[in-house]
Amino acid sequence: AQKITQTQPGMFVQEKEAVTLDCTYDTSDQSYGLFWYKQPSSGEMIFLIYQGSYDEQNATEGRYSLNFQKARKSANLVISASQLGDSAMYFCAMREDNQGGKLIFGQGTELSVKP
Amino acid sequence: GAVVSQHPSWVICKSGTSVKIECRSLDFQATTMFWYRQFPKQSLMLMATSNEGSKATYEQGVEKDKFLINHASLTLSTLTVTSAHPEDSSFYICSATSQHREQYFGPGTRLTVT
Repeated sequence: AQKITQTQPGMFVQEKEAVTLDCTYDTSDQSYGLFWYKQPSSGEMIFLIYQGSYDEQNATEGRYSLNFQKARKSANLVISASQLGDSAMYFCAMREDNQGGKLIFGQGTELSVKP
Repeated sequence: GAVVSQHPSWVICKSGTSVKIECRSLDFQATTMFWYRQFPKQSLMLMATSNEGSKATYEQGVEKDKFLINHASLTLSTLTVTSAHPEDSSFYICSATSQHREQYFGPGTRLTVT
């Protein structure tokens, strides 16, 4: 079974609008972390935001926020006020704390921001 | 933030030859390094986990004899693709974990086998 699922292969958003990228996960562990990364065409992996399984508040980092719904096992990324530079691949990833720190990635969502 | 480098950033080699890719943590000691592989328009797939001074742990389906990993020090891990074939052409990315469990990615190495 897929541990991390991103069901949106591609998304379009108008510049300055908000967009939500979906991510669901599957784990039986109690202690885990969820990450979002941005990968532009250059290939570098840019860390955006992190949510720990025990964190009660949704994580926020500037224009990025993570909508964490633990019971539904979802960790959606919300980007507010989209910019042209936000066009990239976005990956959701999970780290199960008893698995030695490795990250398992979702399939990715390609976001295109329209002017 | 912490910096992880990879060398080379891109390489073209002939089929049957071996290629070595280096991953270095420049300003911290990496307790663990990870190697990922990414095909175009696809996700990152973990290949192996590398700990300094011990043998790498490979993910299921990854050929140990083909993808040799050596973690020689707390700042250097190498991935050698042996007897490379065109199907090994891919983007290889390493990441390094600090003692605080933060993970930092290298910029990646694009391998093309002709």
